[in-house]
Amino acid sequence: EIVLTQSPGTLSLSPGERATLSCRASQSVSTSYLAWYQQKPGQAPRLLIYGASSRATGIPDRFSGSGSGTDFTLTVSRLEPEDFAVYYCQQYGSSPPTFGQGTKVEIK
Amino acid sequence: EVQLVESGGGLVKPGGSLRLSCAASGFTFSIYSMNWVRQAPGKGLEWVSSISSSSTYIYYADSVKGRFTVSRDNAKNSLYLQMNSLRAEDTAVYYCATDRGRTVVSGLFDSWGQGTLVTVSS
Repeated sequence: EIVLTQSPGTLSLSPGERATLSCRASQSVSTSYLAWYQQKPGQAPRLLIYGASSRATGIPDRFSGSGSGTDFTLTVSRLEPEDFAVYYCQQYGSSPPTFGQGTKVEIK
Repeated sequence: EVQLVESGGGLVKPGGSLRLSCAASGFTFSIYSMNWVRQAPGKGLEWVSSISSSSTYIYYADSVKGRFTVSRDNAKNSLYLQMNSLRAEDTAVYYCATDRGRTVVSGLFDSWGQGTLVTVSS
């Protein structure tokens, strides 16, 4: 199975700053089938990005995804207070679908 | 608006059984594949099982294969997860999630329910 490694584990930033989250795969992710989810405490995850760079319905354009092969990035251009959360990457190009361990974006 | 409501969680002893349900509304349930994903307390996300729209394709994580059974009733807009031979490591919040795929499973989890907590402990 494909192992996804996210870095950093925790990102401490202030509102208005740019957040850059990394996801590295143990082998190439087929057809860039890479997604990003946001999860806030006590809530279910929410799909943000799929296909490495396509925003899901209703997701603000300050969220963007990029990358291919084994290296992927989620960027939040300017952090809003509601963006402080845990972010997971997930590959769905090969079975089983697997998740990274998460990156927590916390208020500095 | 897509709504997914899980139920059936609770406290069960090791070796016991539990059946989870997921009631779906706000979309045409019968044409979408569905999934179960779990999250152990304080941990990350783990895919558990997927089922295609007409139940033709069914998949399980190795960690639950042979113990869990996924099913659906399209007439009742409901998804189920029968969990047998439960272990302490099955303790988690179990989420049902819609799949981007229809006749086949894509593994992309579009919409999620709020989850139901399963605790396996003596």
